[in-house]
Amino acid sequence: GQNIDQPTEMTATEGAIVQINCTYQTSGFNGLFWYQQHAGEAPTFLSYNVLDGLEEKGRFSSFLSRSKGYSYLLLKELQMKDSASYLCAGGSTLGRLYFGRGTQLTVWP
Amino acid sequence: DVKVTQSSRYLVKRTGEKVFLECVQDMDHENMFWYRQDPGLGLRLIYFSYDVKMKEKGDIPEGYSVSREKKERFSLILESASTNQTSMYLCASSPRTGGNTGELFFGEGSRLTVL
Repeated sequence: GQNIDQPTEMTATEGAIVQINCTYQTSGFNGLFWYQQHAGEAPTFLSYNVLDGLEEKGRFSSFLSRSKGYSYLLLKELQMKDSASYLCAGGSTLGRLYFGRGTQLTVWP
Repeated sequence: DVKVTQSSRYLVKRTGEKVFLECVQDMDHENMFWYRQDPGLGLRLIYFSYDVKMKEKGDIPEGYSVSREKKERFSLILESASTNQTSMYLCASSPRTGGNTGELFFGEGSRLTVL
């Protein structure tokens, strides 16, 4: 398998900015996904980076450096509803995703 | 609205029972996947399929089998359920996109308890 590492837990306050990091082995992946999962629900797609650089989508941005095996998800203007687990996943040419264990983000008022 | 539908949200079974978890997608996707999700362990791939009648082992296939007789349907079978198979099971599908990986669409999940 492929090792994907991300922090287990993070906390932040409403209105703040938080960056969730993800590192992975550099061989074998052809892109990096981020998913959001609220408690008791299925994961939902947030972003996909296949090239190096920053992809911005509203309050959420995702960054990828393939040479460093590094990605991050940046959440701005945090809201209470952003409290969730954030899953980093590497994509393979065969179509399967390799998931990290997820980062549980808690947003405090 | 695209959809992946899992047949049961909650199941309770007894040790040794045969369990069928059904998954249907309406997006004409080639790829389908079964994951289990446990606290602290994240999503782990059990089996996946690239096409009808094709199947590939994931990272934890022991104790499971799958069936893909039709493109839209991917079934997970627990031949003889055991208590360590108590978990949340998530089905997902994705399109075949050539060199890049397609986005995964997940079902709502099936929470299985084995007593």
